[in-house]
Amino acid sequence: GAVVSQHPSWVICKSGTSVKIECRSLDFQATTMFWYRQFPKQSLMLMATSNEGSKATYEQGVEKDKFLINHASLTLSTLTVTSAHPEDSSFYICSAPGQLTNYGYTFGSGTRLTVV
Amino acid sequence: DAKTTQPPSMDCAEGRAANLPCNHSTISGNEYVYWYRQIHSQGPQYIIHGLKNNETNEMASLIITEDRKSSTLILPHATLRDTAVYYCIVRGNSNSGYALNFGKGTSLLVTP
Repeated sequence: GAVVSQHPSWVICKSGTSVKIECRSLDFQATTMFWYRQFPKQSLMLMATSNEGSKATYEQGVEKDKFLINHASLTLSTLTVTSAHPEDSSFYICSAPGQLTNYGYTFGSGTRLTVV
Repeated sequence: DAKTTQPPSMDCAEGRAANLPCNHSTISGNEYVYWYRQIHSQGPQYIIHGLKNNETNEMASLIITEDRKSSTLILPHATLRDTAVYYCIVRGNSNSGYALNFGKGTSLLVTP
């Protein structure tokens, strides 16, 4: 079935540094990738939509200069959290549309980011 | 996408059936009902979806009322590993280019 591989699964970084999260579609081409953020005990909140070969679309309130998204190929989308602060600590998840009749949407396993 | 309403939490004894309800009274004719679950600190996992007929797969059964205004996800023999947050999402196939919108879901606790 459709698989999205997300790395790293967890990362700890210092305030002010940048962190890159990768999502790869392993057995299908993902022209679109969705990026979510999830704070403890809350639901998933959509941050942005990346499209291969074009600029990402950000949800209201999400800083595009802070959360850089690159979708350079049909199998790779990356999210870079720049100048991270403790309030950016969260669980980040990517998702790609799959075959709706069989698999629905496929999600990565998530990245736990802790900024200290 | 039509709005869904789910109870915030439910308990179920291990080995018993877990029945998770979802109300979607404003669902339109071309919208499907999808169920996903999220085990703690993991990405959501697809469970099942349906349009108007009841559906069953290796994970669960989905019962949709005749008027399609509500549905029930059934885990026939719940195990401890089924403890998770379960999300009911209504989505039309024509919206496949758009992200899924997650509500608060139902937190299911399966107890020994």
